[in-house]
Amino acid sequence: QVQLQESGPGLVKPSQTLSLTCTVSGGSISSGSYYWSWIRQPAGKGLEWIGRIYTSGSTNYNPSLKSRVTISVDTSKNQFSLKLSSVTAADTAVYYCARETPGMATLYWGQGTLVTVSS
Amino acid sequence: EIVMTQSPATLSVSPGERATLSCRASQSVSSNLAWYQQKPGQAPRLLIYGASTRATGIPARFSGSGSGTEFTLTISSLQSEDFAVYYCQQYNNWPPMVTFGPGTKVDIK
Repeated sequence: QVQLQESGPGLVKPSQTLSLTCTVSGGSISSGSYYWSWIRQPAGKGLEWIGRIYTSGSTNYNPSLKSRVTISVDTSKNQFSLKLSSVTAADTAVYYCARETPGMATLYWGQGTLVTVSS
Repeated sequence: EIVMTQSPATLSVSPGERATLSCRASQSVSSNLAWYQQKPGQAPRLLIYGASTRATGIPARFSGSGSGTEFTLTISSLQSEDFAVYYCQQYNNWPPMVTFGPGTKVDIK
């Protein structure tokens, strides 16, 4: 059973870079054909897809965030990461990491981690 | 970018009744459409993918239909544990990105 766990600072100052890591257990991040994704959800609001990285290393990003987002993989640690630069209060949200299977949507999700942007 | 819309925003239903939720895409997504259920404080749970295929372990009272731009999630007989927010999501191949609908909250009438 695949499990995902987000980790990182819960508080980030405005204009700084938000950095989160997702640790994958129960399977190798480099095996199979999957998208490793980040999704966020501001309090009381809907889900916003941030972007994903494929097993091959190719990435896709939400056009509204593309200029500020980088998603990368560290296969040696079985982790993938999110960096979001120049954050503002609007980036305050619960951030989820997840695994998407092409053609089969997103079955596995982390529990989510709250990141607050505040000085 | 493909824009997803959902209706209604809120659906009030009595336990045991049928609930019908709608989702529309701004352009065709073929059958690359999923439905998720989310309860407070929890991550979303995949219910349906491929517009009509139930994910593993999902009860038969949940069913999905549609293709192209119009989709429906039906809950045949609402149970107490089904009161939640439901999101549709497109994951079509082009453009290569995922978008969610704004959600439908199903609450107790």
